[in-house]
Amino acid sequence: GESVGLHLPTLSVQEGDNSIINCAYSNSASDYFIWYKQESGKGPQFIIDIRSNMDKRQGQRVTVLLNKTVKHLSLQIAATQPGDSAVYFCAENNAGGTSYGKLTFGQGTILTVHP
Amino acid sequence: SAVISQKPSRDICQRGTSLTIQCQVDSQVTMMFWYRQQPGQSLTLIATANQGSEATYESGFVIDKFPISRPNLTFSTLTVSNMSPEDSSIYLCSVERTGGAFFGQGTRLTVV
Repeated sequence: GESVGLHLPTLSVQEGDNSIINCAYSNSASDYFIWYKQESGKGPQFIIDIRSNMDKRQGQRVTVLLNKTVKHLSLQIAATQPGDSAVYFCAENNAGGTSYGKLTFGQGTILTVHP
Repeated sequence: SAVISQKPSRDICQRGTSLTIQCQVDSQVTMMFWYRQQPGQSLTLIATANQGSEATYESGFVIDKFPISRPNLTFSTLTVSNMSPEDSSIYLCSVERTGGAFFGQGTRLTVV
């Protein structure tokens, strides 16, 4: 789940395991969602997005699942690698397709992958 | 995706001074966005910058503190005015493109 302040949720996994990062979003009107990866000292890197007319979307080693009923988003990373260690943010947009760069971010989850 | 360059990448500034951050995109975009990321926290939208019009600010952010320019379709600046230590953050610009919304590497500002 999400947290506030400086105490970000953390997830520790072993290299090769699958990781699941969860996000509860707040606005039932949100219709576009993005997952970002942020490494130390860098800007957020786009991973994958999904629109509200879908409940699943797959990319390279990643899958995003959307459950609009409970306003929940998850990011699954297959065969997690040490290079996947970072902070992961979900972001939501409710501009109805007119300005999908206007995002509300979740608090983030720290993923640590152990060799 | 998009190539987004920010300058400076980091700076240490005295309180009471102002810093202007530049954002350059590799091709024309209609909207550019400025975000703030306070230490250890998530990103918060400051404002949306359209070329040829005043920026639109989010609740809690005002033009006097964060003036924005958007002189053309590939460039924008954000000024952090009359800085205090509470303004120490990473400031990021982003753009929307077909295929998503993309960020620059950020400007890490420390106010002393």
